[in-house]
Amino acid sequence: DQQVKQNSPSLSVQEGRISILNCDYTNSMFDYFLWYKKYPAEGPTFLISISSIKDKNEDGRFTVFLNKSAKHLSLHIVPSQPGDSAVYFCAAATNFGNEKLTFGTGTRLTIIP
Amino acid sequence: EAGVTQSPTHLIKTRGQQATLRCSPISGHTSVYWYQQALGLGLQFLLWYDEGEERNRGNFPPRFSGRQFPNYSSELNVNALELEDSALYLCASSFTGFAEAFFGQGTRLTVV
Repeated sequence: DQQVKQNSPSLSVQEGRISILNCDYTNSMFDYFLWYKKYPAEGPTFLISISSIKDKNEDGRFTVFLNKSAKHLSLHIVPSQPGDSAVYFCAAATNFGNEKLTFGTGTRLTIIP
Repeated sequence: EAGVTQSPTHLIKTRGQQATLRCSPISGHTSVYWYQQALGLGLQFLLWYDEGEERNRGNFPPRFSGRQFPNYSSELNVNALELEDSALYLCASSFTGFAEAFFGQGTRLTVV
């Protein structure tokens, strides 16, 4: 049972444009969400997070939006840069860190110069 | 400051053997998580240790086990290896009660 779903395995975006990565979840108990970025041969690195009391969190070029009623979150990257090419995982947790993170299957983002 | 370190980087084992993977968390972190990333799949949660205790376990058979030592480093043991255990095994650490976990580079286990 995949509780966190990233339905797009891959996404290609022109450099300078907006990249939008989507994530859906089914467990209504999730109350904290994170995005990780992973380069080949490296472990995932934490990018940005959002708690369920917010609907938006911004950090530089990265913004995460949370729609609790739709059980949907998205990561926006503006403007997209070649170094953003990586696999992006969304993850969710219940009880803010007192439970394990549940990860999606990842979306491979390719930025086209 | 050193990040999460995992050893070995690569490990090749024969079916039926045992594999031991090691993880050193970031200094000060007391929680260690183990994840498996098989080819084409996302990160599957294996085990979570906090303050030396196993806190949670993913949907894996008992031949996947581990422990956390007093210095918070951790070991993952996989017994009776099967071909489908071939995967990247990632360790992550965090402060207790914090969801932002930091990952190591992983151990690539190949079972032949």
